[in-house]
Amino acid sequence: AQSVTQPDIHITVSEGASLELRCNYSYGATPYLFWYVQSPGQGLQLLLKYFSGDTLVQGIKGFEAEFKRSQSSFNLRKPSVHWSDAAEYFCAVVKGGSEKLVFGKGTKLTVNP
Amino acid sequence: NAGVTQTPKFQVLKTGQSMTLQCAQDMNHNSMYWYRQDPGMGLRLIYYSASEGTTDKGEVPNGYNVSRLNKREFSLRLESAAPSQTSVYFCASRYRFFYGYTFGSGTRLTVV
Repeated sequence: AQSVTQPDIHITVSEGASLELRCNYSYGATPYLFWYVQSPGQGLQLLLKYFSGDTLVQGIKGFEAEFKRSQSSFNLRKPSVHWSDAAEYFCAVVKGGSEKLVFGKGTKLTVNP
Repeated sequence: NAGVTQTPKFQVLKTGQSMTLQCAQDMNHNSMYWYRQDPGMGLRLIYYSASEGTTDKGEVPNGYNVSRLNKREFSLRLESAAPSQTSVYFCASRYRFFYGYTFGSGTRLTVV
């Protein structure tokens, strides 16, 4: 069965520090990969996506993610975190040809001043 | 602004009551989805509709029904609400995979 794992439930970083949020998926083939962000009480906003090609993808708000086929991972990174980045981040996966977008359980990010 | 609109934003129901959550998109998207979000569980797919006139079950369909009224609208119905259905419900739509999925702002439902 298709699954998405975000190993870290909660991460705390200081403002200005770098950030990496982990995501692993279980699939035989390369799926379509997404990262979404959800601010408290809000809907989900797409940060970035990967389908094929360059394994390092750039997104909005200064985020990037790297697809590593050998590790079945799609980790999200940001070089310098801002207080406004505090939110919950979701990795999501769609198997090619499927209609179903499957989410990880999310990582909550707290940013200390 | 173009997007996905959900109504209502908040609702409190008594156990056994019924209600319909409404969702409409004005982006001419083919596929529409209903998810529920519970703390520590991420988002779980309830039902989806790949095109007008078709619907299929997702991961957690029990206790729900859906209707794809036309290309724009996709409603979710709770026939007999239960406290376990207390959740935040999100509607989403998409045109093609590479455009990503667009989410509504959610409906917070409490069943007492």
